[in-house]
Amino acid sequence: DQQVKQNSPSLSVQEGRISILNCDYTNSMFDYFLWYKKYPAEGPTFLISISSIKDKNEDGRFTVFLNKSAKHLSLHIVPSQPGDSAVYFCAASAWDDMRFGAGTRLTVKP
Amino acid sequence: DAGITQSPRHKVTETGTPVTLRCHQTENHRYMYWYRQDPGHGLRLIHYSYGVKDTDKGEVSDGYSVSRSKTEDFLLTLESATSSQTSVYFCAVQGVAKNIQYFGAGTRLSVL
Repeated sequence: DQQVKQNSPSLSVQEGRISILNCDYTNSMFDYFLWYKKYPAEGPTFLISISSIKDKNEDGRFTVFLNKSAKHLSLHIVPSQPGDSAVYFCAASAWDDMRFGAGTRLTVKP
Repeated sequence: DAGITQSPRHKVTETGTPVTLRCHQTENHRYMYWYRQDPGHGLRLIHYSYGVKDTDKGEVSDGYSVSRSKTEDFLLTLESATSSQTSVYFCAVQGVAKNIQYFGAGTRLSVL
């Protein structure tokens, strides 16, 4: 069973606009959430994370929001840039167990 | 890149042959992980290690074994490769921040 779900396989946005990537989880034991970015032929790279005791974490153009009651997190990228085009994975962890979503391919058009 | 090197980067093999993938790290990380990435599934944990000779199974461990005889090396072995094991394999280490894992560049394995 997929405990972490990214229901949008792809997203396309215009350069300069906001990109919003969504992720849902089912296991209420998850207490730490992460976003990874992956370019073709490379490994995933850590982007941003949030603890379950917070509802928002910001790092430059990237902001992650957590809604624990809805078991939902989202990644906002503002403004979006062509170099942001990649596959984005959300992940959730509890103790030593980390689960990943299937990924969303973001394309930022110039 | 957390000092992770995966080898080989690409491999093509035949069904029924044994295959070993290597993950080498240079920063003395205690925890190491093997994942496979498949379309529609994201990254799924195969096995992990929490120290030399200490390993445990992950979500999709059937058909795979691992060994860690040195801190820096974590080997993944497919004893008898099957076409369902065609995938991209990633090694990861746990960073200083406990919940963050750092990944290698991956090995693309094709089993014909």
